[in-house]
Amino acid sequence: NAGVTQTPKFQVLKTGQSMTLQCAQDMNHNSMYWYRQDPGMGLRLIYYSASEGTTDKGEVPNGYNVSRLNKREFSLRLESAAPSQTSVYFCASSLLTRGGQGYTFGSGTRLTVV
Amino acid sequence: AQTVTQSQPEMSVQEAETVTLSCTYDTSESDYYLFWYKQPPSRQMILVIRQEAYKQQNATENRFSVNFQKAAKSFSLKISDSQLGDAAMYFCAYHLTGNQFYFGTGTSLTVIP
Repeated sequence: NAGVTQTPKFQVLKTGQSMTLQCAQDMNHNSMYWYRQDPGMGLRLIYYSASEGTTDKGEVPNGYNVSRLNKREFSLRLESAAPSQTSVYFCASSLLTRGGQGYTFGSGTRLTVV
Repeated sequence: AQTVTQSQPEMSVQEAETVTLSCTYDTSESDYYLFWYKQPPSRQMILVIRQEAYKQQNATENRFSVNFQKAAKSFSLKISDSQLGDAAMYFCAYHLTGNQFYFGTGTSLTVIP
């Protein structure tokens, strides 16, 4: 089925370890996003890519890097994980046309940093 | 930055009854979109309903409808004939074309059998 695929679904890291969260969409969307979800804080934007070849910081970019590998793929990297990065991470994509189609979300990654 | 406020962290409703979830937002724009997303325990974010700000008519999707008050910057979600499967976290979101989405902090809805 068409949609947004996120991997992995669960991950436990030790403080200081690095990892990359993968995201791919097959809907030919031009824009992709990474959010983190924390209790009582809703979804906060980490980074986004409005189109292939561009990336921009969101509300909470510190400690993260991203790569828009091609139109389909947008990865999020934690270079040196910290306990404060324990969260649920969502990738999303959108056409961002005037039609306001809304986001299509991946199923999320639950990351625990110990 | 835009802000979206959901003032009800938790709500409950009896099965088959009606419940309204509140959302307010802050913007100086006149043309934008508003959304309600549902997040069940599976964690998947599901689009429930969408409203274009330039349309005066309130959006409806089966048992879900909105009360969009543009001047008051209010966008509430009404769920009629509540079902057990409606139990979830609900997020209100604001979107300006060409820009990112802004989300509220969510309302956890419990449906009581």
